[in-house]
Amino acid sequence: EAQVTQNPRYLITVTGKKLTVTCSQNMNHEYMSWYRQDPGLGLRQIYYSMNVEVTDKGDVPEGYKVSRKEKRNFPLILESPSPNQTSLYFCASSWTSGRETQYFGPGTRLLVL
Amino acid sequence: QQQVKQSPQSLIVQKGGISIINCAYENTAFDYFPWYQQFPGKGPALLIAIRPDVSEKKEGRFTISFNKSAKQFSLHIMDSQPGDSATYFCAASGSFGNEKLTFGTGTRLTIIP
Repeated sequence: EAQVTQNPRYLITVTGKKLTVTCSQNMNHEYMSWYRQDPGLGLRQIYYSMNVEVTDKGDVPEGYKVSRKEKRNFPLILESPSPNQTSLYFCASSWTSGRETQYFGPGTRLLVL
Repeated sequence: QQQVKQSPQSLIVQKGGISIINCAYENTAFDYFPWYQQFPGKGPALLIAIRPDVSEKKEGRFTISFNKSAKQFSLHIMDSQPGDSATYFCAASGSFGNEKLTFGTGTRLTIIP
């Protein structure tokens, strides 16, 4: 089954404790991105990757890092989480760009205390 | 301007009625306008999309109306059903930058019996 998977689905952590949210897709997509969803703000892009070893900032990259060492994986790293990063995070993938159907993962709900 | 403005924030419609959600944009370089549907606990999924060479696109009970001169587009759901209750996001993208999708802030639609 074609899908985007994220882990963990729920995470409670404390300020400053490094964490990684994994994202994997099995559709051989080149384009992957991370979004955060907050009430009243919609979905905002954090980082995106157009292919292996090619990543760039989206609209709200501060406090986040990403890597793309393999085509299928695109982890999101919070090196020193803060309460303002409490949010619902989605990974998405598409064939080559944002101007195509984006396939979203199920989401990761993060609470930073 | 990269913003996409979406209204209303929430909408309650009686079963069988027409649900209408509106979006407006500023950047005339946008040329791809999708709508995503999100059920609670799930990631968004593409519902329907339009490019500006047509003024309307219909898929079953869902129709996008596009007004290029007014820089507006809307989603119409005919014969609304309780199963349509979800959050709807409009979005826009263009062949510039990273071709990323810019999302609206979302509309929570509730269909009541």
